[in-house]
Amino acid sequence: DAGITQSPRYKITETGRQVTLMCHQTWSHSYMFWYRQDLGHGLRLIYYSAAADITDKGEVPDGYVVSRSKTENFPLTLESATRSQTSVYFCASHPGLAGYNEQFFGPGTRLTVL
Amino acid sequence: AQKVTQAQTEISVVEKEDVTLDCVYETRDTTYYLFWYKQPPSGELVFLIRRNSFDEQNEISGRYSWNFQKSTSSFNFTITASQVVDSAVYFCALSEAVTGTASKLTFGTGTRLQVTL
Repeated sequence: DAGITQSPRYKITETGRQVTLMCHQTWSHSYMFWYRQDLGHGLRLIYYSAAADITDKGEVPDGYVVSRSKTENFPLTLESATRSQTSVYFCASHPGLAGYNEQFFGPGTRLTVL
Repeated sequence: AQKVTQAQTEISVVEKEDVTLDCVYETRDTTYYLFWYKQPPSGELVFLIRRNSFDEQNEISGRYSWNFQKSTSSFNFTITASQVVDSAVYFCALSEAVTGTASKLTFGTGTRLQVTL
């Protein structure tokens, strides 16, 4: 199906483990984003990408790594998970013109770090 | 730096009441975009509206209406005759509009709306 998907939808891991959250979109959108949602903070930008092989930090990048070898995929890796990274993670994409289009969000991944 | 403030953390209304969700923003940009998203209990984020900084016309879509006032840096959202299905968390967001850059969204902290019978 067309759209933006995230996997897994739910993940429980332990402190210190590496975790990768996947994001895939079928629209060939140039821009992709990772946000985390925490109570009292709304959604905060972790990393974003303007195109394949172009990524940049957002507001809260520490502890996260991203890559974008293909336009359609934008995985987010927690290299050594910490409890403070327990959150709901949303991937988003938008097609092009800066600010003109709304971002389309994936269904989210709920991550729990024990 | 951009900032979005949604001072109302939670609002409870009885069905059929009108309710207004407040959104106040800060930006140094002269061109920017404002958005409202809805997050129902199922968790997904649903786009509701986009407004650019040059368009101060109010907008109405069914029971939803939006009031954009640059003079007070506000972009408020009103639901008329609320329904139980309107129960959700509503987010206001702000985006810069610089050509050639990713349009990063700055979100408010959200307002949880609870509509009861």
